[in-house]
Amino acid sequence: QKEVEQNSGPLSVPEGAIASLNCTYSDQGSQSFFWYRQYSGKSPELIMFIYSNGDKEDGRFTAQLNKASQYVSLLIRDSQPSDSATYLCAVMDTGRRALTFGSGTRLQVQP
Amino acid sequence: NAGVTQTPKFQVLKTGQSMTLQCAQDMNHNSMYWYRQDPGMGLRLIYYSASEGTTDKGEVPNGYNVSRLNKREFSLRLESAAPSQTSVYFCASNEGLHSPLHFGNGTRLTVT
Repeated sequence: QKEVEQNSGPLSVPEGAIASLNCTYSDQGSQSFFWYRQYSGKSPELIMFIYSNGDKEDGRFTAQLNKASQYVSLLIRDSQPSDSATYLCAVMDTGRRALTFGSGTRLQVQP
Repeated sequence: NAGVTQTPKFQVLKTGQSMTLQCAQDMNHNSMYWYRQDPGMGLRLIYYSASEGTTDKGEVPNGYNVSRLNKREFSLRLESAAPSQTSVYFCASNEGLHSPLHFGNGTRLTVT
């Protein structure tokens, strides 16, 4: 069973700080990695995806991938209360050709 | 621009009843998926269809059947509902391997 592990949190950060969300995965052949944000009672929405080792930046968000360590992270700079949500890490399962999701990290940004 | 549309939004069933969850996408995507989400367990894949005419089991297929009716539509059927199937069900679609998923708004199902 391919696994994607996330700390469930809650991760609490003050407004304006950097939030760091982490994810590890077991499928060594995975080539695509995704971060989704999910507000309570809503469907997941895509924040970023990353395919190559290194960093990828999009506005206040940076995704980091280290395939050798099987580790992917999401940094949120200048965190806002509106960033308070559950963040889901998803990894392509090379066997099933479908995304496997972690259980999510709940982020709380304190005003 | 509707994206992925799921019906119904809410449903309450009694144990043993059957129902079909409907999903349609208007993005001309090749692949479609059904996930369920339970508290503390993230999203778990039930079934998926990599392309029109094909379906495959995911992580938790027992108690469910699917039909890829055409490129746009992918339905999920519960033949004999059980309380363990109380969950939020999400349909999703994408262009294919390595592409981001686009999710519907979900169906909240309660089985009593």
